[in-house]
Amino acid sequence: QVHLVQSGAEVKKPGSSVKVSCKASGGSFSRYTISWVRQARGQGLEWMGRIIAIAGIENYAQKFQGRLTITADRSTGIVYMELSSLTFEDTAMYYCARDVSIPSAPVHHWFDPWGQGTLVTVSS
Amino acid sequence: DIVMTQSPLFLPVTPGEAASISCRSSQSLLHSSGYNYLDWYLQKPGQPPQLLIYLGSNRASGVPDRFSGSGSGTDFTLKISRVEADDVGVYYCMQGLQTPPTFGQGTKLES
Repeated sequence: QVHLVQSGAEVKKPGSSVKVSCKASGGSFSRYTISWVRQARGQGLEWMGRIIAIAGIENYAQKFQGRLTITADRSTGIVYMELSSLTFEDTAMYYCARDVSIPSAPVHHWFDPWGQGTLVTVSS
Repeated sequence: DIVMTQSPLFLPVTPGEAASISCRSSQSLLHSSGYNYLDWYLQKPGQPPQLLIYLGSNRASGVPDRFSGSGSGTDFTLKISRVEADDVGVYYCMQGLQTPPTFGQGTKLES
């Protein structure tokens, strides 16, 4: 049973960076793909990017290209999401989630389970 | 990006009644594999989203059979046969045919 636990809430100033962690337990971490999804208060869900842990390959949504970095530490089973050049619009709950796929349905990943979320507040 | 449109955005229900949520995509989600690359999630108040349905009609582990997903191409439906009080929250559809995966705006189920 895979379980994802994220780091605690952060308050950051505009222009700075934030790094959020997501620790996976249960199963074989090296086989995981982990996505990051964010949700501004009262808003919908926005996929940011993913990392294929076994290969160290990342995919990023175009919107976040250049200021989003997702990394994985296979020795500790922790995935990190670092977002730089923060603005007030980056204030949101950030979730990690495990990508699930099956060979008979290539390309598609669904998300299960999700971490509990990390609130990032950008404030001056 | 593929645009996902849900309706209604608010759905008041009475426990025991049936409920239905519609989701439309701007492009067909039917993959050459034969699967529709459409999933449903429920976000209960104060919680992260949880997977309900994947590949259009497959219930996730532990999801009651009161929930069912149907549809193909660009039109999909999530049905709850008998709403229970614990079903309240926001329901999202998501397409996984193209990167980035994109979500509908959400449908808030209220009892």
